[in-house]
Amino acid sequence: AQSVTQLDSQVPVFEEAPVELRCNYSSSVSVYLFWYVQYPNQGLQLLLKYLSGSTLVESINGFEAEFNKSQTSFHLRKPSVHISDTAEYFCAVRANQGAQKLVFGQGTRLTINP
Amino acid sequence: NAGVMQNPRHLVRRRGQEARLRCSPMKGHSHVYWYRQLPEEGLKFMVYLQKENIIDESGMPKERFSAEFPKEGPSILRIQQVVRGDSAAYFCASSVTGTAGSGELFFGEGSRLTVL
Repeated sequence: AQSVTQLDSQVPVFEEAPVELRCNYSSSVSVYLFWYVQYPNQGLQLLLKYLSGSTLVESINGFEAEFNKSQTSFHLRKPSVHISDTAEYFCAVRANQGAQKLVFGQGTRLTINP
Repeated sequence: NAGVMQNPRHLVRRRGQEARLRCSPMKGHSHVYWYRQLPEEGLKFMVYLQKENIIDESGMPKERFSAEFPKEGPSILRIQQVVRGDSAAYFCASSVTGTAGSGELFFGEGSRLTVL
């Protein structure tokens, strides 16, 4: 079975500051990794994903995440945040073998202050 | 080009009543997943269905909860004799390939159930 731990439930930062949202996972098999974003009163949207290949993956709006197998981490980073990045961010993991469910972390609420 | 459609968006029920939540997947998607989000918590997997089949229901409570995805029509999550602890946001997601591949899950906007 897989599990995900997001170490920070809330992260407040100032606009244009860098941010890192931490995610660690546990799995006995190889996995796919995902970051989803949830804006208030909306569903989840895929932000980026790691399936294979380059361990650094990027989104279209400036976020990036790096898969670190030895540390079982998939931290999300952005060098300069905007007010519009205020949202809840969920890290998720799924085994890459067979029909497996997507397992989510508890979420990190990112609040951007002007 | 509609996304995953869930209705109702908000549902209020009294204790002991039944709640029915509907989910229409994206066009061309035959795999549906239901997740529950309790206040201040992450999403918890409930059930994974393909047309007319339940693939994985390991996250479903043993009593009062059921799900179906008929050949025609939306997927239905049914909660009988609701209790206050059932108050949550219920999210549906769909995918083309199912979890056996690397396919992306597309989420609906959720149905928020309040039990009085």
